[in-house]
Formats: sequence, structure tokens, C-alpha cells
Amino acid sequence: ETGVTQSPTHLIKTRGQQVTLRCSSQSGHNTVSWYQQALGQGPQFIFQYYREEENGRGNFPPRFSGLQFPNYSSELNVNALELDDSALYLCASSSWTSGRTGELFFGEGSRLTVL
Amino acid sequence: AQSVTQLDSHVSVSEGTPVLLRCNYSSSYSPSLFWYVQHPNKGLQLLLKYTSAATLVKGINGFEAEFKKSETSFHLTKPSAHMSDAAEYFCVVTQGGAQKLVFGQGTRLTINP
Repeated sequence: ETGVTQSPTHLIKTRGQQVTLRCSSQSGHNTVSWYQQALGQGPQFIFQYYREEENGRGNFPPRFSGLQFPNYSSELNVNALELDDSALYLCASSSWTSGRTGELFFGEGSRLTVL
Repeated sequence: AQSVTQLDSHVSVSEGTPVLLRCNYSSSYSPSLFWYVQHPNKGLQLLLKYTSAATLVKGINGFEAEFKKSETSFHLTKPSAHMSDAAEYFCVVTQGGAQKLVFGQGTRLTINP
């Protein structure tokens, strides 16, 4: 167990809807990253939050947005859902120093299906 | 841009035999390389990391990897496979700045009894 919890674990949405995924980071961690893992693929970096500010973004459109709260928990929001958004969404937490050495602690993910 | 290529999408070995999962990297400067493992319905877990110290890196559960700059490789090995090793393995390189991890496509390891 990494101490990183994500909710919900599974959800089904229809095209055009909006979704919010949540993540509680491991105690003592101030950095949260989100990754999208399509079926049969490796995870792809969406963005990272550090001290409530976005600190880097991957090649994802603006309809993917996030928040980090003062307790370092985080949300990923996706608007105008498309079929290709169906994937496992992974949250990873780290301290700033452990993150710089690639040591991230992942949750088990939220599996989103878009119909 | 940095990238990794995992040369096998699926590897199948018998229990008790050696494991070799292959990874080549592309980087314009000295990379930091990692192997992560993903068991079914579990989160990704760091197996081991190379960050420009010793080229032979030992990780958890008996796994190790050797960084070979001349071959741009970072292959993962284990002398003797166990049934519990069955999982998806990802070779990963860091891209600077925002601590972004760049994952390979993954190698699914199957262990036969």
C-alpha cells in the first residue's frame, strides 16, 4: 500500500459529459502528478501540481484541468468527454525531493469508460 | 526529447528460470532510468532506479538492471522467476523540469508453472 487513494475506482460517462476524479496523497507529500493510461499502453503525463500551482503539463488539451488543495489532495477534471478519454487515470504523489529522483507513489487508479 | 523503447510486449518464462526484460533509451543527456511494476488491480510500484551512480542497480524482489551507455540499454533481469513476478513492467526515463516520467509501452511477464 502506497497511502495514495483515488476515487471513484470505476465510473461510466457518456460523450460530452464532465468528470471529476479525486486523489488523496501520501502523508508528507506535497506534489501530485496525474497520468492517463490507455488500454495496453504505458501511462502518459497529464500534469503536476506543487503547492497548489500547476508545475508542468503534458500534451493534453485545456479541457483537462486540475486542482490541488491546501492539504495536498488533488482533483482531475475533464470536460466535454470524448470516447478516447476512456482510460485508467493514475494519481501519484511525492515529496519535491523524491519526485526529482523519479520516486513517485501511485494510487490504484480510476477507470473511466466513456460511451 | 527523451524516450524509452521496450523491445518485447510479452515475455513468458517458466518458474525458476531467468528473466530478461529489455529496454533501450534515447536521451540527449545523462538520463535517470527506472523500472516500475504494475500488478493487476494494483498501483505502479518502483522496482529500481539508476541516477548516474553505480551502473548495476539492485532493486526489490531480487531484480536488478544494468545501465550500458554504449548500448543505450537498461535491461531488467532476475536469476530465478517466481509466480508472484507475473505483472506488467515499465521502463521509465525522467524528463527534466517538472519531474515528468516518460513510460515505455510495457512488457507483460507471464510465469509458467
